[in-house]
Amino acid sequence: GENVEQHPSTLSVQEGDSAVIKCTYSDSASNYFPWYKQELGKRPQLIIDIRSNVGEKKDQRIAVTLNKTAKHFSLHITETQPEDSAVYFCAGRRNAGKSTFGDGTTLTVKP
Amino acid sequence: DAGVIQSPRHEVTEMGQEVTLRCKPISGHNSLFWYRQTMMRGLELLIYFNNNVPIDDSGMPEDRFSAKMPNASFSTLKIQPSEPRDSAVYFCASTMTRDNEQFFGPGTRLTVL
Repeated sequence: GENVEQHPSTLSVQEGDSAVIKCTYSDSASNYFPWYKQELGKRPQLIIDIRSNVGEKKDQRIAVTLNKTAKHFSLHITETQPEDSAVYFCAGRRNAGKSTFGDGTTLTVKP
Repeated sequence: DAGVIQSPRHEVTEMGQEVTLRCKPISGHNSLFWYRQTMMRGLELLIYFNNNVPIDDSGMPEDRFSAKMPNASFSTLKIQPSEPRDSAVYFCASTMTRDNEQFFGPGTRLTVL
């Protein structure tokens, strides 16, 4: 089955700096890679996703890159703000299959 | 759409009692997932259904756990008997398969004393 590894487990940045979270996956058949943000006491919510036919996707301050050959994908947050502080999860999934989640990264943005 | 609905939002029970968690997926979604989240183990997939049929229950921890989906708009996760180590937040999520994005419910925080 799919195995998704996520690094780092914790990340602390200064407001305005960039944050990068990386994930690797094992199943070459995985073709959908979402990123979820979970604030304390809340549910995970999708913030951005990428499919295997695309190498990069951007949405305002958030971007995701995918390297299919190396089987890794990354989340980039630029100009971080205190409200970006949360736990971020990556996941990998095949069509109509289950998502396998990484262990999460706790991001802290210091004002 | 109200999104994925879960009930109850909080449940406190004593060890040995039966616990039933409920989920109503988003209308039109044909896949439903039950997750358990703890600090120690993170977000774990317990079971998922596609078109009301259980597809993968390999994440169900033991026979005390069971899940059903009698129709497209309702699912239950039952723990009988409950134990303190079952204390966690249980999330239900649904997806329209072709769109892939999973929508999570608000979760049920279960505490077993």
